[in-house]
Amino acid sequence: DVKVTQSSRYLVKRTGEKVFLECVQDMDHENMFWYRQDPGLGLRLIYFSYDVKMKEKGDIPEGYSVSREKKERFSLILESASTNQTSMYLCASSFGGYNEQFFGPGTRLTVL
Amino acid sequence: AQSVTQLGSHVSVSEGALVLLRCNYSSSVPPYLFWYVQYPNQGLQLLLKYTSAATLVKGINGFEAEFKKSETSFHLTKPSAHMSDAAEYFCAVSDGPSNYQLIWGAGTKLIIKP
Repeated sequence: DVKVTQSSRYLVKRTGEKVFLECVQDMDHENMFWYRQDPGLGLRLIYFSYDVKMKEKGDIPEGYSVSREKKERFSLILESASTNQTSMYLCASSFGGYNEQFFGPGTRLTVL
Repeated sequence: AQSVTQLGSHVSVSEGALVLLRCNYSSSVPPYLFWYVQYPNQGLQLLLKYTSAATLVKGINGFEAEFKKSETSFHLTKPSAHMSDAAEYFCAVSDGPSNYQLIWGAGTKLIIKP
């Protein structure tokens, strides 16, 4: 069965902290994605990666960075967390182009 | 640029009634189209997808969607709503094999009245 896992379901951090969100997929997918989801704004793409060590900015990359050292793992980093980064973060993966994305359960991050 | 429009941020139906969630897209090439469901505090789950085979696509949980090229629509339907269908539904489009991204609609929250 296809599986995308995220390191935490709920996370509470303080303003200014460095935050790491990790995502692991077991499907050997080339593509991995990080989204944030806020009420009324739908899904917004932060970054995606189409291969190991490759990354592309999405629609809202400011304040975030990513790392993909291994094919199965894609990390999202908040260098200095701010309250406006309080959100639900969703990781997804897919095989090739034109194909559906498989999602993890999400991490609800609160920055105080 | 591609876009996906979901009409209605909230749709309310009675249990047992027809569910109709609307999705219109713009794409310059034949698209692949997807419907996802998200239950509270969970990730998104694929309901069904259109990949240029049959225009009527059947998915999980009794949902289906019809691709209408002339109307650029891919509306989601279910004949009889169940309380467990209460969730948020997202429509998405991909417009090419070299395009890894999906373009997402804003989502429609389905409310089921007892």
